[in-house]
Amino acid sequence: QVQLVESGGGLVRPGGSLRLSCRASGFIFDDYYMSWIRQAPGKGLEWLSYISGNGATIYYADSVKGRFTISRDNVRNSLFLQMNSLRAEDTAVYYCARDLWPSTVTYFEHWGQGTLVAVSS
Amino acid sequence: EIVLTQSPATLSLSPGERATLSCRASQRVSGYLAWYQQKPGQAPRLLIHEASNRATGTPARFRGSGSGTDFTLTISSLEPEDFAVYYCQLRGNWPPFGGGTKVEIK
Repeated sequence: QVQLVESGGGLVRPGGSLRLSCRASGFIFDDYYMSWIRQAPGKGLEWLSYISGNGATIYYADSVKGRFTISRDNVRNSLFLQMNSLRAEDTAVYYCARDLWPSTVTYFEHWGQGTLVAVSS
Repeated sequence: EIVLTQSPATLSLSPGERATLSCRASQRVSGYLAWYQQKPGQAPRLLIHEASNRATGTPARFRGSGSGTDFTLTISSLEPEDFAVYYCQLRGNWPPFGGGTKVEIK
């Protein structure tokens, strides 16, 4: 079955960096677009970034453009989010998510359990 | 940019009652709309896609409908496990998610 397992969250000071990972299994990883979505405490869902199966197509929300970098390693079936210049407002649970259908970005059928990032001095 | 507005923000109902959740787009859209359910401490779960297609494992009491600018998620008879927050999402739009509707026990 499809599994997505995030790791790498934690407490970081404002201005600091963190790298999130998402290990995927149970499907052909490079067939699917993958996304990072976050949820601040008590708030709604915010789609941050997506990357195509071959890594050639990438998109970022304005809120993270220039600070966050999405990447993937199709050999290791892993998705990454490098987060730099972190701010208090980046505090959230970060989810990786897989699209419903291969080779397109549409809806999010599979989600990881989430990893908490807390930005505080 | 198309904005999705969900209403009401909170819906207070009893088990067995019918729930009607609204998602309104700021301009006409194709039926590329999904609904998600999120319970406390859990990741969201895809319920409905393409406005009316139930995702794998979605019970038949969940029905999606609508077109143009107005979309609806109907839960025909609320089960105890249905009390949660529901989000709509528009495919191909950024930002994609509505603000959510919380369905709480009355």
